[in-house]
Amino acid sequence: EVQLSESGGGLVQPGGSLRLSCAASGLTFSNYGMSWVRQAPGEGLEWVSSISSRSDYTYYADSVEGRFTISRDNSKNTLYLQMSSLRDEDTAVYYCAKIGSIGLWYFDLWGRGTLVSVSS
Amino acid sequence: ENVLTQSPGTLSLSPGERATLSCRASQSVSSSNLAWYQQKPGQAPRLLIYGAYIRATGIPDRFSGSGSGTDFTLTISRLEPEDFAVYYCQQYGSSSPPFGQGTKVDIK
Repeated sequence: EVQLSESGGGLVQPGGSLRLSCAASGLTFSNYGMSWVRQAPGEGLEWVSSISSRSDYTYYADSVEGRFTISRDNSKNTLYLQMSSLRDEDTAVYYCAKIGSIGLWYFDLWGRGTLVSVSS
Repeated sequence: ENVLTQSPGTLSLSPGERATLSCRASQSVSSSNLAWYQQKPGQAPRLLIYGAYIRATGIPDRFSGSGSGTDFTLTISRLEPEDFAVYYCQQYGSSSPPFGQGTKVDIK
C-alpha cells in the first residue's frame, strides 16, 4: 500500500524546537518532490515548505523562512521538517504530501498528519 | 503571490442537488495549474481535480472542474451523502503553491 506516515509532533514551549518525520512506503520516494502543509485548528490549509526529489531545491513560506528547514533522506524514504524558534501561531496539524507530477506542486498523496502544539 | 478567493464560504444543499463552487485568483493561473481537494473532519485532504479539469484517480465523474485564467469552478453534479465536506482550491504553478480559504458544503 502506498502511504505516508508523519511522526514527531507534540507539545513544545514557545521558542523551542521540534523535528517532524514523514516515512514513505509503497512508492519510489526518490522520484518525487515532497512538501509540508499545515492546518491550524479550525482553519484552512497553508503550504509550509517543499523540497525537490534530490534535495537540489528547497522552498519556504514567508511565515517559516529562517526558522524551519526541510530535508530528506532518500536512502531511508523519509522526509523531515526541523522547526525552531517555534511560535504560538505554528500550532497546527502538519501533513506531508507528495507531488503529483514532476515540477508541478499539486499533491496526490497525503499523510494523516501530526499535531504540533506550541504553548507555555 | 497569487491570492485565491473561494466562494461561497458555506453552501447548504440537500443530497441530490448540484453544487457549484468558485475559486478566483488575483493573478492569472498559468497552464491551468489549478487543483481541488476535499477534506472531511479529522481526515487529510484528498486530491479531486488537477490541471483545472482532470479528475484524479478514483474520483467519481460527478465531480468536474472547469475554468481558466483567474476563474475556476468545481461542480458536483448530484451530491451524495459522502460529499458533504470542505473543498479547497490550490494554484500550483509556482514554488509557493497557495490554497484558497475553503468552501464548506453542508447538509441543508
